[in-house]
Amino acid sequence: QLQLVESGGGVVQPGRSLRISCIASEITFRSYGMHWVRQAPGEGLEWVAYISHEESTKYYADSVKGRFTVSRDNSKKTLFLQMDSLRPEDTAVYYCAKYGEGFSLDSWGQGTPVTVSS
Amino acid sequence: HSVLTQPPSMSAAPGQKVTISCSGSSSNIGRKSVSWYQHFPGTAPKLIIYDDDDRASDISDRFSASTSGTSATLAITGLQTGDEADYYCGTWDSSRAGMVFGGGTKLTVL
Repeated sequence: QLQLVESGGGVVQPGRSLRISCIASEITFRSYGMHWVRQAPGEGLEWVAYISHEESTKYYADSVKGRFTVSRDNSKKTLFLQMDSLRPEDTAVYYCAKYGEGFSLDSWGQGTPVTVSS
Repeated sequence: HSVLTQPPSMSAAPGQKVTISCSGSSSNIGRKSVSWYQHFPGTAPKLIIYDDDDRASDISDRFSASTSGTSATLAITGLQTGDEADYYCGTWDSSRAGMVFGGGTKLTVL
């Protein structure tokens, strides 16, 4: 099973930018679509973004469209989320997840926390 | 508010059965397969059901699920204290062009 490890989270001021990463354990990473999902404190899971295996297709939640950009480097088995114009409501634990059968997310990382506060 | 609707909490005694509902619409559950996730706070969510009713690898047969129309149900039999967790349903929404989740159900095993 593909192992995923996120990194890059931290505390950032409103309006600033942050890039978080997700590194996979195997080169098979290049064959899979990938998602970012977040969980704000005390809230449920919220889907953020999707990128296809060859980066040709990307989708975003309305709440982040125009501010967040998902990308990947298959040679480095790494998924990225560039977050610009951050808002306090973007405070959450961010998970990367692999797209599996039947529209499922079958492998998840442990998450990286992002706090947007002045 | 979440696109998919789940009860916020449910409780049952050890050994009993619980069913968790998930209600959606024709643009999501009515059109795409449903998956279910188990989430212990502070850990990675875990896929337990995919493709409406298939158990993921190494998932106990105490977990089962079904889908009918625009609703889905997760059933857990022989409840154990280790089943206490948050459970989420999810699928793809064709109108929104994105994944959607239920608000989560906190299961307490009394």
